[in-house]
Amino acid sequence: DAGVTQSPTHLIKTRGQQVTLRCSPKSGHDTVSWYQQALGQGPQFIFQYYEEEERQRGNFPDRFSGHQFPNYSSELNVNALLLGDSALYLCASSLVSRVFGANVLTFGAGSRLTVL
Amino acid sequence: DAKTTQPNSMESNEEEPVHLPCNHSTISGTDYIHWYRQLPSQGPEYVIHGLTSNVNNRMASLAIAEDRKSSTLILHRATLRDAAVYYCILSPAYSGAGSYQLTFGKGTKLSVIP
Repeated sequence: DAGVTQSPTHLIKTRGQQVTLRCSPKSGHDTVSWYQQALGQGPQFIFQYYEEEERQRGNFPDRFSGHQFPNYSSELNVNALLLGDSALYLCASSLVSRVFGANVLTFGAGSRLTVL
Repeated sequence: DAKTTQPNSMESNEEEPVHLPCNHSTISGTDYIHWYRQLPSQGPEYVIHGLTSNVNNRMASLAIAEDRKSSTLILHRATLRDAAVYYCILSPAYSGAGSYQLTFGKGTKLSVIP
């Protein structure tokens, strides 16, 4: 059973450029979240997509945008890259539960973005 | 979101039990306690979660204090593959509508000594 897959695994960009990262959720999952992890820090929530809509957003500027496709896969776009955007970008998927309770996320290995 | 406090680092000898503590004195009645771990060069991996009672699964055990203000993740026999950063996270009960996030701290870096 394939887990969460992300591409590319590594990429290098220069300041001002734009980047698109891709994520395929675990089979059977319908919700995708994106997290940013700076070196030595825990992951920080960017936003979450469900039913092709952004449902919740963390404290990130509008330069960060996303999309979810009908097959539940997702893209993260970052415009006007800054040096501070250098980080590991993690995608996580889950299955929306109609039952009140705990939810569990499955993470991918991430895309390592370096901005020069 | 309610916050957690964990030691920055811990060491354990291989094949010995490991007890990773977490304090969460401001936990609310509907907050679940989650543990995730992150191995080097990988994304976080779910370990275990609980609400009030102690929980066991194939990876670990979760012991929750009676007042719920602290919890302990127990690895029964540490192996070299358990060397990772362990995150203790509180999350409100999920209420649907696709809205769910985890707030990570810095976690505890566990080193396993052969």
